[in-house]
Amino acid sequence: EAQVTQNPRYLITVTGKKLTVTCSQNMNHEYMSWYRQDPGLGLRQIYYSMNVEVTDKGDVPEGYKVSRKEKRNFPLILESPSPNQTSLYFCASRPGTGVTDTQYFGPGTRLTVL
Amino acid sequence: GDSVTQMEGPVTLSEEAFLTINCTYTATGYPSLFWYVQYPGEGLQLLLKATKADDKGSNKGFEATYRKETTSFHLEKGSVQVSDSAVYFCALRAGYSSASKIIFGSGTRLSIRP
Repeated sequence: EAQVTQNPRYLITVTGKKLTVTCSQNMNHEYMSWYRQDPGLGLRQIYYSMNVEVTDKGDVPEGYKVSRKEKRNFPLILESPSPNQTSLYFCASRPGTGVTDTQYFGPGTRLTVL
Repeated sequence: GDSVTQMEGPVTLSEEAFLTINCTYTATGYPSLFWYVQYPGEGLQLLLKATKADDKGSNKGFEATYRKETTSFHLEKGSVQVSDSAVYFCALRAGYSSASKIIFGSGTRLSIRP
């Protein structure tokens, strides 16, 4: 089954404790991205990657890092989480070659930073 | 910059009622337009899309027509069901490069009463 998976689905942590949210897709997509969803703000893009070893900032990259060492994986790293990073995070992927490509989303990771 | 504005929710309707969720956009060029749906506890799923003016996207009884003259892409359904309760996001993708991102509206929560 074609899908985007994220882990963990729920995470409660404390300020300053480094964490990683994993994302994996099995569709051989070139383009992957991370979003955060906050009430009243919709989804905002954090980082995106057009292919292996190619990443770039989205609209709200501060406090986040990403890496793309393999095509299928695109982890999101919070080196020193803060309470304002409490949010619902989504990973997404799409083929990357066409303007009308469908974007596929993971199930989301709800992060709480105390 | 490019943006999407959609009607604020929540929207509460009775089963079999007619649904309209308004969406307008601002973009340079000719964007592709999308409606995504997010069911409780899940990630976003593409509901329908339209890639050029006057195109009508449709799926699961929902429809939306790309209106360039009014820069709108309103979502409609003739008879809603309880299972349609979800959050609906209007979105656009402008530009033709593989890096062009999707811009989301803030979402409209729809609740259907039996």
